[in-house]
Amino acid sequence: GQNIDQPTEMTATEGAIVQINCTYQTSGFNGLFWYQQHAGEAPTFLSYNVLDGLEEKGRFSSFLSRSKGYSYLLLKELQMKDSASYLCAVLDSNYQLIWGAGTKLIIKP
Amino acid sequence: GAVVSQHPSWVICKSGTSVKIECRSLDFQATTMFWYRQFPKQSLMLMATSNEGSKATYEQGVEKDKFLINHASLTLSTLTVTSAHPEDSSFYICSAQRGTGVISLHFGNGTRLTVT
Repeated sequence: GQNIDQPTEMTATEGAIVQINCTYQTSGFNGLFWYQQHAGEAPTFLSYNVLDGLEEKGRFSSFLSRSKGYSYLLLKELQMKDSASYLCAVLDSNYQLIWGAGTKLIIKP
Repeated sequence: GAVVSQHPSWVICKSGTSVKIECRSLDFQATTMFWYRQFPKQSLMLMATSNEGSKATYEQGVEKDKFLINHASLTLSTLTVTSAHPEDSSFYICSAQRGTGVISLHFGNGTRLTVT
């Protein structure tokens, strides 16, 4: 079966750095997405990785290792508004999005 | 940027009634729209894929007679929850695909459905 694992919840301090990991086992791979979702709102796109390596976009970076079935989202200089759920999703061989359950990130002052 | 409008944002209905949720792509044509359901503290669960002018493709376990999907135009898809029950209470989100690129998915703001 297809499976995406990410931690349920993480806590970090304002101004710090946090890394949210995601491991996946899917039938085929056509890229991995990270989305941010605030409570009661729709997900918003953060990043897309299809090749190995690190993609940096401002305070957020996303890393992918296809051989390990692993990705992480790195958030720097954390702000209170970063408190949200972060969803990892993989596009499988049929171009269907397989979603992880999300990681709830709590930022403390 | 691409905008997807979903209406209503929230709705409360009585058990046994039907509720219609609209999803519109405001500034682009969406040949494909997706409907998701999300229970508290859980991830998005794809319910169905809707293609303009054809029948929706439902995921396993989703009752097509209960969740009616109509994609009548390139900018509008509707989801009707028929004979709603309290267990249908959830957050329903649509997304529309703009073009064919893999990162062309745009989400509506979701509809919070509460069935009493």
